[in-house]
Amino acid sequence: EAQVTQNPRYLITVTGKKLTVTCSQNMNHEYMSWYRQDPGLGLRQIYYSMNVEVTDKGDVPEGYKVSRKEKRNFPLILESPSPNQTSLYFCASSFLAGPYEQYFGPGTRLTVT
Amino acid sequence: GQQVMQIPQYQHVQEGEDFTTYCNSSTTLSNIQWYKQRPGGHPVFLIQLVKSGEVKKQKRLTFQFGEAKKNSSLHITATQTTDVGTYFCAGPTGGSYIPTFGRGTSLIVHP
Repeated sequence: EAQVTQNPRYLITVTGKKLTVTCSQNMNHEYMSWYRQDPGLGLRQIYYSMNVEVTDKGDVPEGYKVSRKEKRNFPLILESPSPNQTSLYFCASSFLAGPYEQYFGPGTRLTVT
Repeated sequence: GQQVMQIPQYQHVQEGEDFTTYCNSSTTLSNIQWYKQRPGGHPVFLIQLVKSGEVKKQKRLTFQFGEAKKNSSLHITATQTTDVGTYFCAGPTGGSYIPTFGRGTSLIVHP
């Protein structure tokens, strides 16, 4: 089954404690992306990747890191989480040359206290 | 910042009424996509429009892409409670491939 998986689905942590949210897709997509969703603000892009070892900043990259060492995986790293990073996070993937339909993971709800 | 504007932010309707959400871009879009996110769920792709003036239908949903490829709309005829959710448009702006999402329109259907 074609899917994007994220782990963990829920996470409560404390300020400053490094964490990683994993994202994996099984569709051989080149393009992968991370979004955060906050009430009234829609989906804001954090980072994206066009292919292995190719990543770039989205609209709200501050406080986040990513890596793309393998085509299927695109982890999101918060080196020193702060309360303003409390949010719902989605990973998404698609083909680069079309169709451009993005497949989203189930989401990770992060709370930073 | 976001260059794809979507209105309204919320829409309450009685079951059976029609609903429309609008998406506007400051730049020409090569394509536009629509997604639906059910409460507690993740965005799910509905459709993609590519051609100027294109109109596509999915049962009670009608999608339009403007002649200038700067605006789009989603119209739902005779809403049902299963239509509840947030509808997002997304399109690549600024000549890049990277899609920019609108802020979404949350549809609330009252039985």
